[in-house]
Amino acid sequence: GQNIDQPTEMTATEGAIVQINCTYQTSGFNGLFWYQQHAGEAPTFLSYNVLDGLEEKGRFSSFLSRSKGYSYLLLKELQMKDSASYLCAAPLDNYGQNFVFGPGTRLSVLP
Amino acid sequence: DAGVTQSPTHLIKTRGQQVTLRCSPKSGHDTVSWYQQALGQGPQFIFQYYEEEERQRGNFPDRFSGHQFPNYSSELNVNALLLGDSALYLCASSLGLVRSVEQYFGPGTRLTVT
Repeated sequence: GQNIDQPTEMTATEGAIVQINCTYQTSGFNGLFWYQQHAGEAPTFLSYNVLDGLEEKGRFSSFLSRSKGYSYLLLKELQMKDSASYLCAAPLDNYGQNFVFGPGTRLSVLP
Repeated sequence: DAGVTQSPTHLIKTRGQQVTLRCSPKSGHDTVSWYQQALGQGPQFIFQYYEEEERQRGNFPDRFSGHQFPNYSSELNVNALLLGDSALYLCASSLGLVRSVEQYFGPGTRLTVT
C-alpha cells in the first residue's frame, strides 16, 4: 500500500526560507511529486524527483532520499503569493499517471 | 491552448439524489482521471478513463461511475448521495497511458450534499 505523511500547517515570514517535509511508504517507487494548490483552485505541478538529491527550480527546490523514504520542498525568498497548500504525491503504479496524495501542508506567509 | 475545464463549478444536492459532473481534458490529451478532495485533505484517486474504458480504479464504491466520450471528455456520476460525498471533485488529464511527469488538473467542481 501507499502512505504519505506531511505536517498539516506551517507559518513563515515573507522573505524567509521554509522547508516542508514529506515521508512516504510505497509498495514500489516511481518518483515523488510536489504540487501547489491555492485555496479553491486546481493543484499545479511544482517538481518531480526520481533520483536521490536536490532538484532546484528557481525559488523552489525539492530533495529526495529513497533509502529514508523522505522528501522535502524548500521555498526561498518567500512571497505572500506562496501562501497555499503543498501536496506531496507518489504514483500509484509504474505508469505514473495516478497518484496517492498526502494530506497537504497549508503554508501561511505572514508580512 | 485550452486547459482542463470542468462544469459546473458549484453544485448543491440533497442526500439520496444523483449527480453528474463533467470534464473536458486539456487540448491534445486523451486520458482523464478523477479525484475527490475533502476539505483540508489531499485528493483521493477515484478512477481513470482511456479509450472510453475505465482503466484503473481507486477505493471507491460502485455508487461512483464514469464515462468517457469519443471526444475524450468525461463524466463522473455519483448515485445515492451521502453527506460524506461533499467535496471538491477534480479532473486531471494526460496523454495515453505512458508515464507523464505531470498531470494537468481542472479547477474542480465543489459538491455540497445537504
